[in-house]
Formats: sequence, structure tokens, C-alpha cells
Amino acid sequence: ETGVTQTPRHLVMGMTNKKSLKCEQHLGHNAMYWYKQSAKKPLELMFVYNFKEQTENNSVPSRFSPECPNSSHLFLHLHTLQPEDSALYLCASSQDGDGGAYTQYFGPGTRLTVL
Amino acid sequence: GQNIDQPTEMTATEGAIVQINCTYQTSGFNGLFWYQQHAGEAPTFLSYNVLDGLEEKGRFSSFLSRSKGYSYLLLKELQMKDSASYLCAVPDSNYQLIWGAGTKLIIKP
Repeated sequence: ETGVTQTPRHLVMGMTNKKSLKCEQHLGHNAMYWYKQSAKKPLELMFVYNFKEQTENNSVPSRFSPECPNSSHLFLHLHTLQPEDSALYLCASSQDGDGGAYTQYFGPGTRLTVL
Repeated sequence: GQNIDQPTEMTATEGAIVQINCTYQTSGFNGLFWYQQHAGEAPTFLSYNVLDGLEEKGRFSSFLSRSKGYSYLLLKELQMKDSASYLCAVPDSNYQLIWGAGTKLIIKP
């Protein structure tokens, strides 16, 4: 496989469930990101990992828990979500250097519905 | 603070030309990105401008004016497959991307 892959593509869960989203990048990049995309809203950056270390956490509720076991894999663990968390969750990766903006490559996303 | 504005929706005709504008306000400037996103798919990179002027890449061109805080994406010889959302993004002081809400482009035959 090439690029950035995400599983599952669609997920329906109740508010008491626990689930995990998985992202894998096959580009040899050193940075990975989780974004939330809601209808007609800008992409919201949730978490950033650079060389497996979390460098950004944009005031995301604790019901979202990221995990980055290595530079190729990224997880988003979900528990006790709310209906307003229903959205498209996008994973991205980039090859970052010493400062500067770098092109991000996105996965196809997981469409999450919380009942 | 940082702010990005782009039109919500535009309509154009197959074979025509369309210009999608983006205005931004940032405390510093580290370039501007354009991405294309088809419905239900991943955003894909189109262009990155860091210097003023027009950069052409096939049917798509991107323009930047840093003094005006303004960019546009120019799409020529429109095809039905160009129907998508076009996202403008600028890095913040930590180089994390701040995104516009996107412009949905509808192409009619």
C-alpha cells in the first residue's frame, strides 16, 4: 500500500462505547496529525506527533486519546463520546525539518457517527 | 489572531475559467497552501506559495500577494471532475496549518 491509510472508513458508536481509529503512513514521514472535519467548518487540528512525541494538543477533550507507537502508526482512542463528536476524522503525515511549513498528506478519513 | 476567509460556494461552467479567492490575516507569514477535496475523500495538495506572484501548474495556477494578504486559485478549461471543495491554509507561528472553511466548486455542463 502507498500513502496514508485509515481504518475503519465508517464507524457508528453509542455514547458508552470504546473504539479506536487507526492510521498508517507508508511515506517515511516523521510527523503525523489528527484533524476533525465537521460540515462547512474549517479543519480543526487535534493532535500532532513529531518523531513519536506529542507536540500539539489543541485543547481536545480527554474522551479523545491519541497514541503513536512509532513514526508510521497513529491511533485515536475514543470513549464516552457525545453526538457533537460526529464528524470526519482525518489523519495526515509530513516530513518535517528544522522549522518551516511542510506539505501534509492525508488519509481518506473515518466517518464517525455517535448515537 | 489568525483568520482565513474564502467564499462558501461557487458555480462555473465546464470549459470556462474560475478564480477562487482567499484572504488571510497572520502574525507572521510562512507560505500559503491550496488543497483540493472531493466529497468523501482526502484533501490532496495542489500548491504552496511563499513568494509573490503567479505559479502555474497545468490547468491550475495559484497567485499570492503578501502585502494584501490575498491569494487566489485559478482553474482553467474546467472539467466536471474539478467539482470539489478547495481549501486554503496558512501556517501559524508554530508552523501548524490554519485552514479556511473551503470553497465548494460546482461545475455545470
